[in-house]
Amino acid sequence: EVQLVESGGGLVQPGGSLRLSCAASGFTVSSNCMSWVRQAPGKGLEWVSLIYSGSNTYYADSVRGRFTISRDNSKNMLYLQMNSLRAEDTAVYYCARGRRDTSVFEYWGQGTLVTVSS
Amino acid sequence: EIVLTQSPATLSLSPGETATLSCRASQSVSSQLAWYQQKPGQAPRLVIYDASNRATGIPARFSGSGSGTDFTLTISSLEPEDFAVYYCQHRTNWPLTFGGGTKVEI
Repeated sequence: EVQLVESGGGLVQPGGSLRLSCAASGFTVSSNCMSWVRQAPGKGLEWVSLIYSGSNTYYADSVRGRFTISRDNSKNMLYLQMNSLRAEDTAVYYCARGRRDTSVFEYWGQGTLVTVSS
Repeated sequence: EIVLTQSPATLSLSPGETATLSCRASQSVSSQLAWYQQKPGQAPRLVIYDASNRATGIPARFSGSGSGTDFTLTISSLEPEDFAVYYCQHRTNWPLTFGGGTKVEI
């Protein structure tokens, strides 16, 4: 059974850093397209970042240069390193797996809340 | 950036009725459009991919159509569990974008 479990969210001050983790089970992270999608409170979905099985990475303009997506194949984990956080980064962050190495998000975790506030 | 515009923002219907949701793209996305369902407090769930293909476990009352810039998600004979927010998403180029959502409410 495919499972995705996010962790690492919390309260952080503006300008601070946070690393989100996504523990995957039931499949191999390195063989799949993996992504982060966020949702600000009461708002819609916003794609954040993606890594393909071939290791190519992509970012939304709003986070490029501040966020870094990565994976640890030995631990079957996906990460999102978030630096220079802003109030507008406040959101629930979901980890998602693409269908057949595409950006059709077939499986989702339950999300982890990141709050950027002083 | 491809902008996806969903309409209507809210659809008020009763169980048993048919819901017709629209997603319009600012430029062609071919058939590379997906629909997701999200209920309060839950993660999104893939409903339709590549415009018209039902995801695993999705009932046949859900159907998708369209190509290019105009897409429709139809939910025939609404069940109580279908009341939720629905988002469309393209995967044609970068950045990936989602529509603003349509809330299907009773």
